[in-house]
Amino acid sequence: GENVEQHPSTLSVQEGDSAVIKCTYSDSASNYFPWYKQELGKGPQLIIDIRSNVGEKKDQRIAVTLNKTAKHFSLHITETQPEDSAVYFCAASSPWNNDMRFGAGTRLTVKP
Amino acid sequence: EPEVTQTPSHQVTQMGQEVILRCVPISNHLYFYWYRQILGQKVEFLVSFYNNEISEKSEIFDDQFSVERPDGSNFTLKIRSTKLEDSAMYFCASSEGGGGAQETQYFGPGTRLLVL
Repeated sequence: GENVEQHPSTLSVQEGDSAVIKCTYSDSASNYFPWYKQELGKGPQLIIDIRSNVGEKKDQRIAVTLNKTAKHFSLHITETQPEDSAVYFCAASSPWNNDMRFGAGTRLTVKP
Repeated sequence: EPEVTQTPSHQVTQMGQEVILRCVPISNHLYFYWYRQILGQKVEFLVSFYNNEISEKSEIFDDQFSVERPDGSNFTLKIRSTKLEDSAMYFCASSEGGGGAQETQYFGPGTRLLVL
């Protein structure tokens, strides 16, 4: 089955700096890659997703890139703010099954 | 904005007892999911449910687990005989259409289960 690896496990940046979180996946059939933000005591909330027919997607300060050949995708947050502090999870799913596999999560801390 | 709701928010039970976790998915959604998250670890897929039957289940979802859509709104996860290692946060999620796990999933706030 699919295996998603995520790095780093913790990331601390200064407010205004950029943050990058990277994930790799094992199943070449995977074609949907969402990113979730989880704040303390809450469920994961989708912040951006990308499908394998595009290489990059951007939404304001958040962007995701996908390299299908290398089987990795990354989340980029620019101009970070303290409210960006949370745990971020990447995930992957394929059209052949109805499950979604998550990475281990990255705890992002943005210091004011 | 419509949201997924879950009850209870916290549940404490004795080992060997049965628990039922309840979820109300977003009303026009067709796919439903359960995930669990052991404290400090990744979110793990348990099961997906579509058209009143299990669509996919993980290796975690053994005979101790079952899911049901007892009426038009609720989606439940039952653990028949809880074990200490079942202690975790359980999340319900739903997605809108026939794309299954290829579509945006909306997560509920979770139920924290503690097995003593």
